[in-house]
Amino acid sequence: RKEVEQDPGPFNVPEGATVAFNCTYSNSASQSFFWYRQDCRKEPKLLMSVYSSGNEDGRFTAQLNRASQYISLLIRDSKLSDSATYLCVPSGAGSYQLTFGKGTKLSVIP
Amino acid sequence: GAGVSQSPSNKVTEKGKDVELRCDPISGHTALYWYRQSLGQGLEFLIYFQGNSAPDKSGLPSDRFSAERTGGSVSTLTIQRTQQEDSAVYLCASSLRRESEAFFGQGTRLTVV
Repeated sequence: RKEVEQDPGPFNVPEGATVAFNCTYSNSASQSFFWYRQDCRKEPKLLMSVYSSGNEDGRFTAQLNRASQYISLLIRDSKLSDSATYLCVPSGAGSYQLTFGKGTKLSVIP
Repeated sequence: GAGVSQSPSNKVTEKGKDVELRCDPISGHTALYWYRQSLGQGLEFLIYFQGNSAPDKSGLPSDRFSAERTGGSVSTLTIQRTQQEDSAVYLCASSLRRESEAFFGQGTRLTVV
């Protein structure tokens, strides 16, 4: 089983739509969880941390289910500027601390 | 405040030459990572430094690759006898603690011709 599994997409959604991404991770010892976004030919940038109780930051909501080893990201009212690749990153387990999946590509269409 | 700084931003080198890539992490960050990313691919882990502990080198693809971190701050990734397949963007990231969120530099785009 891969350490981090995400649907690669692409997800093509119209502006204003709600879209959800899911991610599963294999290492139950992971302590912290993050979502990053990466624009084409740019470095990954932290979008938000994911807390056990779930958390919201504006249009973005992240959920964590430790029992199922599952993380989700919900984007409401999608903007053109949300077009990017979204990377789910569990941390704090294994010999190194950040485990990147290949990400999910989102394209928001006018 | 200052973020993670990498230099050079672009490097073109001839096959067989050695290159050095530099990373200045955020001040006070104890953890430092190197990744590389080929066009259209995901991030490939190379090496991880945590404080004064021995680095995790498990991701280095061959013995042509080495890295050091001096004084717990600046890190240098060295690639000897570069090959065309080494062409990629090399990304450095740092985090405050081992379980904290990491922040990336803008990367060094290496092209081996």
